[in-house]
Amino acid sequence: AQSVTQPDIHITVSEGASLELRCNYSYGATPYLFWYVQSPGQGLQLLLKYFSGDTLVQGIKGFEAEFKRSQSSFNLRKPSVHWSDAAEYFCAVGDQTGANNLFFGTGTRLTVIP
Amino acid sequence: NAGVTQTPKFRVLKTGQSMTLLCAQDMNHEYMYWYRQDPGMGLRLIHYSVGEGTTAKGEVPDGYNVSRLKKQNFLLGLESAAPSQTSVYFCASSYLQLYEQYFGPGTRLTVT
Repeated sequence: AQSVTQPDIHITVSEGASLELRCNYSYGATPYLFWYVQSPGQGLQLLLKYFSGDTLVQGIKGFEAEFKRSQSSFNLRKPSVHWSDAAEYFCAVGDQTGANNLFFGTGTRLTVIP
Repeated sequence: NAGVTQTPKFRVLKTGQSMTLLCAQDMNHEYMYWYRQDPGMGLRLIHYSVGEGTTAKGEVPDGYNVSRLKKQNFLLGLESAAPSQTSVYFCASSYLQLYEQYFGPGTRLTVT
């Protein structure tokens, strides 16, 4: 069965520091992978997605993620964090068996220190 | 474009009461979804629809019903609310299967 693990519940970084949020997935075939961001009191917004091809994908707001099949990982990175990046981040894997589902991880809350 | 809108934004129900949450999208998307978000559990799919007149069960469908009578609307019903249904409910839509899902702002429901 598909599943997504985000091992870090909460991460705190200083503004200007680099960021890496971890995501591990379990899926039998080549996965469709997504990162979403949720600002407080808001819905989710897509940051980036991976379907196939280049394993390093670029997203909005300066984020990127790298698909590593050997490690079943899809970690999200940003070289320099801004205070406005404080939010909750969700990794998700798409179910391609016909159920049309996205399976979400439990999320990582990012706090940015000025 | 308003995108995905949800009505109401907040609601408090007593156990056993019923209510309907309305989701509307103006992007002509075929696929629509209802999720619930609980602390420490991420988002879980309740029901979804692959087109007007269709509905299907997701991961946690018990206690909920849905209808998609018009392409732009997807309704989520609670026939007899229970405290375990206290949650934040998100609606989403997408143009194609597994493409980007656009989310509404959420409905915070409390059942006492």
